[in-house]
This record gives sequence, structure tokens and C-alpha cells, in this order.
Amino acid sequence: EVQLVESGGGVVRPGGSLRLSCAASGFTFDDYGMSWVRQAPGKGLEWVSGINWNGGSTGYADSVKGRFTISRDNAKNSLYLQMNSLRAEDTALYHCARGTTGVDYWGQGTLVTVSS
Amino acid sequence: QPVLTQSSSASASLGSSVKLTCTLSSGHSSYIIAWHQQQPGKAPRYLMKLEGSGSYNKGSGVPDRFSGSSSGADRYLTISNLQSEDEADYYCETWDSNTQVFGGGTKLTVL
Repeated sequence: EVQLVESGGGVVRPGGSLRLSCAASGFTFDDYGMSWVRQAPGKGLEWVSGINWNGGSTGYADSVKGRFTISRDNAKNSLYLQMNSLRAEDTALYHCARGTTGVDYWGQGTLVTVSS
Repeated sequence: QPVLTQSSSASASLGSSVKLTCTLSSGHSSYIIAWHQQQPGKAPRYLMKLEGSGSYNKGSGVPDRFSGSSSGADRYLTISNLQSEDEADYYCETWDSNTQVFGGGTKLTVL
């Protein structure tokens, strides 16, 4: 059974940093690209970032470019999102998702709240 | 970069059928999309990938009541024999050159 379990969310002040993690299991992790997708309270889904199977190719939404960094550790079956210079508008539930050419599995998400 | 357009809301009666639309922007009419369902308070769930030809591949456990079709730049999700649990938000997704994009979502109400 495919499982994606996010962690690392919390409350942070504007300008602060957080590192999200996603532990993957139930599939061969390095066979897949991975993504982060967020959902602000009461809003729709917004793609944040994606990474290919070996980390050699990454992409970012314009809204996070230069502030967020996606990475992965295939030996640990883990995906990460380093978030710096956080803003109030980054407040959202962050989902780890399998796939960069169409998500086919979703994690439950970890909540990030940016507030002073 | 493609843009996906969805109606904000739709409604249909229990036991009937409904067809939701996702429209690809100009120049992107051949793109493959994915449909996702998000029931209230839950994580999204992948439903299917849908090609411009109308061919689709559903995710594991997705009921036969869910089907896809295409016409030009439009991608459709049809839900037959509507059940109360089908009341949810439905999102389409596409991708291009290291980017992914989601439509704004359609809120489906089952009457």
C-alpha cells in the first residue's frame, strides 16, 4: 500500500523558516518524481514544487521561487521542502504527492501557519 | 504554461449523472490531464488520467461510475448514478516543462 506521511509543519513568524519532510513507503521511491502541493484554508489546490526521480531536475511555482527548495533522499525514501522567508500567504496545508506528470497518490498533509 | 478552467460549482440529483468540464488554454488542447476528488475534510484522491483522444486510466479502487471523455480542449469527468459520497470538490491537473498546474476546482452538490 502506497503511503506518504508528511511532517514538520507548525506555526512560524513571517520571515522564518521550516523544513517539511515526507516519508514514502509501499512503492519503489526512486522510480517516481515527487511533488509538493498546498491548499490555503478554504481555497483550491496550488502546485508548489516538483522533483524528478534522482533530484536532477526541479521546478517551482513563481510564488515560491527563490524561497523554497525541494530535495529528496532516495536512500531514506524521503522528500523534503525547505521553506525560507515565509510569508502570511504561505499559510496552508502542504501535501506530499507522488508524480510530476500527474499526481496519483496524495499524503494527508502537514499544516504550516505563518503568523506573528 | 497551460491554464485549466473549471466551473466553480455544479449540482445534480441523487442517482442521476453529471458531467464536469475542465478546459485547457489555447495552444494546449492536446495535453493529458488528471482528475482528482476531494471530499470534505479529506486529502485529495486521484481518479484518472485522461488523454485528448478520450482514453483514460483510473486509479485503484475508483468506481465504474466514474468515466472520462474529451472533445478538443475540453476534458470531461462523468459521474453516473450519483451517490451522496460523490459530493466533493473536483480538480483537474496538467503539467509541462517541470511545472504542474491545477484548475480552480468544481464544487459538486448532490441534491
